Amino acid sequence: RKEVEQDPGPFNVPEGATVAFNCTYSNSASQSFFWYRQDCRKEPKLLMSVYSSGNEDGRFTAQLNRASQYISLLIRDSKLSDSATYLCVVNIAGGSYIPTFGRGTSLIVHP
Amino acid sequence: EPEVTQTPSHQVTQMGQEVILRCVPISNHLYFYWYRQILGQKVEFLVSFYNNEISEKSEIFDDQFSVERPDGSNFTLKIRSTKLEDSAMYFCASSELQADREEQYFGPGTRLTVT
Repeated sequence: RKEVEQDPGPFNVPEGATVAFNCTYSNSASQSFFWYRQDCRKEPKLLMSVYSSGNEDGRFTAQLNRASQYISLLIRDSKLSDSATYLCVVNIAGGSYIPTFGRGTSLIVHP
Repeated sequence: EPEVTQTPSHQVTQMGQEVILRCVPISNHLYFYWYRQILGQKVEFLVSFYNNEISEKSEIFDDQFSVERPDGSNFTLKIRSTKLEDSAMYFCASSELQADREEQYFGPGTRLTVT
């Protein structure tokens, strides 16, 4: 079983739509969770950390479900500029932290 | 805004050659990382570095790879005897604190092409 799994998409949505992505992880010892976005041929950039109680940043809401071992990202009122690949990152606790990336979910927002 | 820089942006090398990829992390950051991303695949952790030593490394980071902080600003990844399958984008990242809840800042990457 893959450590971090994401639906690759693409999710093709119109401007203004609400879209949600899920990411499942296999290691119950996972300690911390993040969503990054990656534009084509660019470096990953942190979108938001994911806290146990859930957290919101503007149009973006992240949730963590430890019992079912998944995290989610909800994007409201999608903009054209939201088109990107969204990477789920899970830190596995070892002596330090080993970040494990999912393959990413592609989002295309069209006019 | 401070940023991580990487040089070169694109490196072409022949199979069997050694390459050194260079990174300048953000100046007050203490933790440094190397990742690779083969085209069309996921970002893969290679190694983390703190206090002049490796703190974690993945299975990918075998004897072919080494890292060094030769001075107060540069952080390098050396790949010896390159293979075709080493072709990938290599990202350097840094963080002020250990990457738990701390954001990692990624550099723009070096595209390595092994021919």
